[in-house]
Amino acid sequence: SQQGEEDPQALSIQEGENATMNCSYKTSINNLQWYRQNSGRGLVHLILIRSNEREKHSGRLRVTLDTSKKSSSLLITASRAADTASYFCATAMMDSSYKLIFGSGTRLLVRP
Amino acid sequence: SAVISQKPSRDICQRGTSLTIQCQVDSQVTMMFWYRQQPGQSLTLIATANQGSEATYESGFVIDKFPISRPNLTFSTLTVSNMSPEDSSIYLCSVDLAGVETQYFGPGTRLLVL
Repeated sequence: SQQGEEDPQALSIQEGENATMNCSYKTSINNLQWYRQNSGRGLVHLILIRSNEREKHSGRLRVTLDTSKKSSSLLITASRAADTASYFCATAMMDSSYKLIFGSGTRLLVRP
Repeated sequence: SAVISQKPSRDICQRGTSLTIQCQVDSQVTMMFWYRQQPGQSLTLIATANQGSEATYESGFVIDKFPISRPNLTFSTLTVSNMSPEDSSIYLCSVDLAGVETQYFGPGTRLLVL
């Protein structure tokens, strides 16, 4: 069953602006991950944040995790047209951390 | 990391037929996963395939409809049986490398059932 809900469902921004996507989940997790998918192709892993971490950075990406609110956010700074893609959060459960449950996804369009 | 290939990349099939999708990994992995992504939707886990044992199916998916083989540590197949238009989706395989918590995904198989 789908664990996470993401908002917004779709986001359109100008190149150079920041993009923020949010993910909420329902049960206790081992970690939360963000993936990117271009045009219905395979997914690419972006970043993983563990349940005992609150913030993590990787290049232009910043992820936060609030386990008390069961939510996470992904911030992409200084966006580029090449960032246009769908972004999914995925949670690994405490009892079966190998299994990922994906959120509903956010479609990001970065206009040149 | 791992490099994963899938065959076919896409197919158009008639209802009532079956299609077998292959997933090949460039290294030995314990766990392989099969997902379905319906048009405009997120990914839903179909089953987990471990070498040497029966696949473990998620709620809503059954072996008769989606039989899976895992003959060795680098290969798996998923068959979509007795297809209907509702089976039109992208099917993706992924692997979990030991000690690495992320999953690596194949490019997907885009299936259209007429």
